[in-house]
Amino acid sequence: DADVTQTPRNRITKTGKRIMLECSQTKGHDRMYWYRQDPGLGLRLIYYSFDVKDINKGEISDGYSVSRQAQAKFSLSLESAIPNQTALYFCATSDPRLANEQFFGPGTRLTVL
Amino acid sequence: DQQVKQNSPSLSVQEGRISILNCDYTNSMFDYFLWYKKYPAEGPTFLISISSIKDKNEDGRFTVFLNKSAKHLSLHIVPSQPGDSAVYFCAASAGGTYKYIFGTGTRLKVLA
Repeated sequence: DADVTQTPRNRITKTGKRIMLECSQTKGHDRMYWYRQDPGLGLRLIYYSFDVKDINKGEISDGYSVSRQAQAKFSLSLESAIPNQTALYFCATSDPRLANEQFFGPGTRLTVL
Repeated sequence: DQQVKQNSPSLSVQEGRISILNCDYTNSMFDYFLWYKKYPAEGPTFLISISSIKDKNEDGRFTVFLNKSAKHLSLHIVPSQPGDSAVYFCAASAGGTYKYIFGTGTRLKVLA
């Protein structure tokens, strides 16, 4: 079974719609992250959370919000989706006892029409 | 402003030869560097890392070299195998922040 899962894996939506991407992990890690990947731009950090009560903005948080419902769950929301949010989204976890290694989910491909 | 740069979008290497992937950074506060490998339709997976107190770290066929004065690191894969064909990302973090800045990736193709 995958340690970090993301749902949905693919989503097509329309401009202005609200959408939520979900991430669950069974690794028991406190730290969770959301990234987006765009061609030619690598992975960019959107939000991160170091425990259930901690939420921090990353490089590109505008237009996004997150919720850390439990240690194992970290959701990313687009309140009103726009076409330039079309990207591949990755959730990741880490454990400071394991140095700086991050464990990534399989990704969600989001298309905003 | 791209703090972590991978200037080669792609690289092709013959099987059995050495692959060298390069990464440059601009932020002198970065003190921990990682390489990730990514296959299509999968998330990145951790490959190897290096702390700024070292200049080399080796793990099997993979070696990472760090040149702090040049703000440059490289990943060497010897010998290269077709299964190494993937996109490789370097990433950096500063001062135990556990925030990671990723490069744009280099697509490696190992030719059989």
